[in-house]
Amino acid sequence: KAGVTQTPRYLIKTRGQQVTLSCSPISGHRSVSWYQQTPGQGLQFLFEYFSETQRNKGNFPGRFSGRQFSNSRSEMNVSTLELGDSALYLCASSWGQTGANVLTFGAGSRLTVL
Amino acid sequence: QQQVKQSPQFLIVQKGGIPIINCAYENTAFDYFPWYQQFPGKGPALLIAIRPDVSEKKEGRFTISFNKSAKQFSLHIMDSQPGDSATYFCAAGRGGGSQGNLIFGKGTKLSVKP
Repeated sequence: KAGVTQTPRYLIKTRGQQVTLSCSPISGHRSVSWYQQTPGQGLQFLFEYFSETQRNKGNFPGRFSGRQFSNSRSEMNVSTLELGDSALYLCASSWGQTGANVLTFGAGSRLTVL
Repeated sequence: QQQVKQSPQFLIVQKGGIPIINCAYENTAFDYFPWYQQFPGKGPALLIAIRPDVSEKKEGRFTISFNKSAKQFSLHIMDSQPGDSATYFCAAGRGGGSQGNLIFGKGTKLSVKP
């Protein structure tokens, strides 16, 4: 059974640029959540998509956006990159319905902003 | 009210010892409390989770103790092994864990010495 796949694994951008990260969830999972992980702030929730609709949103500026496609694959976009956006961006998928859903995380996309 | 406070930040124990990691929360709306384990270069992976209607849950060498009145919960690792050396995160969520928007503690880096 394939796990959660995130691409690219590593990328380097400069301030002001934009970046798009991709996440392929486990087959059958309808929920995709995105998290930002930094040494200082730890794991912070960005947003969750369920059946192509944003279901929950964290406390991040509008430069951070996402979407989910009909096959449950998801992308997140960060525009006008800032140095502070350097982080590991993690995607997690789950069934997303009632009951305790196990979030299965991918290995992440490590973004460095210069 | 959305914070989950985790301690200690670093923990060193000898093989066979019982490391204990503590977490506290404020928001009584939380009703799902998972623990995640993360190894370097990997995404977090679910270890064990508990809901507030039970005071203790055990899975293998991992035990969660939950104190609803104190709004605290802790992870105990019995007979710890060097392979348990990792970063551990507690988290809290709503909706019985049905959704992907978890609030994570800042993490505890555990080192188990042989």
